[in-house]
Amino acid sequence: KNEVEQSPQNLTAQEGEFITINCSYSVGISALHWLQQHPGGGIVSLFMLSSGKKKHGRLIATINIQEKHSSLHITASHPRDSAVYICAALSVWEYGNKLVFGAGTILRVKS
Amino acid sequence: NAGVTQTPKFQVLKTGQSMTLQCAQDMNHNSMYWYRQDPGMGLRLIYYSASEGTTDKGEVPNGYNVSRLNKREFSLRLESAAPSQTSVYFCATRQARNTEAFFGQGTRLTVV
Repeated sequence: KNEVEQSPQNLTAQEGEFITINCSYSVGISALHWLQQHPGGGIVSLFMLSSGKKKHGRLIATINIQEKHSSLHITASHPRDSAVYICAALSVWEYGNKLVFGAGTILRVKS
Repeated sequence: NAGVTQTPKFQVLKTGQSMTLQCAQDMNHNSMYWYRQDPGMGLRLIYYSASEGTTDKGEVPNGYNVSRLNKREFSLRLESAAPSQTSVYFCATRQARNTEAFFGQGTRLTVV
């Protein structure tokens, strides 16, 4: 079992829909990253959070440390939101901490 | 600011050839990382450098070497490329332990 699991693996939505991507982790963490990767593109950090909720535009990230679970929500989805969304847990490591990545969720938003 | 710059963006190698992937950052970050990304798997750490002058192995270091040339630059070398090293390689930087990571645009490497 991977230390960081994302669901769903693939998601297709209609423009305007509310989208939720889930991330569960089994390691102790100090923070959690949500990242975005457009096709053929680089990786961009969306959020880094260690508790509660963060919001940026139409994106909202929440984390429940006790349940070891985080969600990324996209409100009023748009085709330009089509990308791979990656959850990465900042876990304790012998040399400090390290990022442990989920396999990613491929999102396609149709117009 | 350019942030994190990787070169080249694309490369095709023949088995046994060598090459160096370059990464440079202008964010004055201490820590730099090399990851590989393969289909259906999360990014995996190849090597990292916690600070200038230090490098350490990550999860999948076999077949690779690194050099932290100075604070800005961290290179990844494949001495004898193998088809199993076909992947997308990402360089990343962080200022300190619990801070946000910043990634380059990636290098798509194919070994034939």
